Amino acid sequence: EVQLVESGGGLVQPGGSTRLSCAASGFIFSSYAMSWVRQAPGKGLEWVSAISAIGSNAFYADSVQGRFTISRDNSKNTLHLQMNSLRGDDTAVYFCARDVGSDPFFGHWGQGTLVSVSS
Amino acid sequence: AIQLTQSPSSLSASVGDRVTITCRASQGISRALAWYHQQPGKAPKLLIYDTSSSASSSESGVPSRFSGSGSGTDFTLTISSLLPEDFATYYCQQYYSYPCTFGGGTKVEIK
Repeated sequence: EVQLVESGGGLVQPGGSTRLSCAASGFIFSSYAMSWVRQAPGKGLEWVSAISAIGSNAFYADSVQGRFTISRDNSKNTLHLQMNSLRGDDTAVYFCARDVGSDPFFGHWGQGTLVSVSS
Repeated sequence: AIQLTQSPSSLSASVGDRVTITCRASQGISRALAWYHQQPGKAPKLLIYDTSSSASSSESGVPSRFSGSGSGTDFTLTISSLLPEDFATYYCQQYYSYPCTFGGGTKVEIK
């Protein structure tokens, strides 16, 4: 069974940093691209970032480009999102999600972790 | 970035109703469109990909009452006969090019 478990959320001050992790199991992690998708309270879904299966390519939403960095450790089946220069509008539940095949649509999601940016 | 506009943003319907949600892309995306639904407090669930292909999971498939159609810039999700568990928020997503984008969502409520 595919499982994705996010961690690392919490309260962060504006301008601060935090790192999210997503522990993956139940599939060959190094064979799949992965993404982060977020959802602000009461709002819709927003794709944040994606990384290729071997970590050679990364993509970002304009809203986080230059502030967030996606990475993965295939030896530990773990996905990360380093979030710097955080702002209030980064407050959201962050989901990690796995591509179904070779295209970035998502058949498996974690339960999400809440990041709150506030002083 | 490619913008996706969903309509309506919300609708009220009854169990057994046929419901159609539309998603319009700001430029052509071929058939690279997926649909999800999301219950409050839960992760989204994939329903349809490649415009009209039903998703499946190791636990259960997507019921046949969900179908998708379209190409280019205009797409639809149809629920042929609403069941109580279908009252949720629905999102379209394009994966034709990065950055991936989602539509604003359509909340399906009980009339």
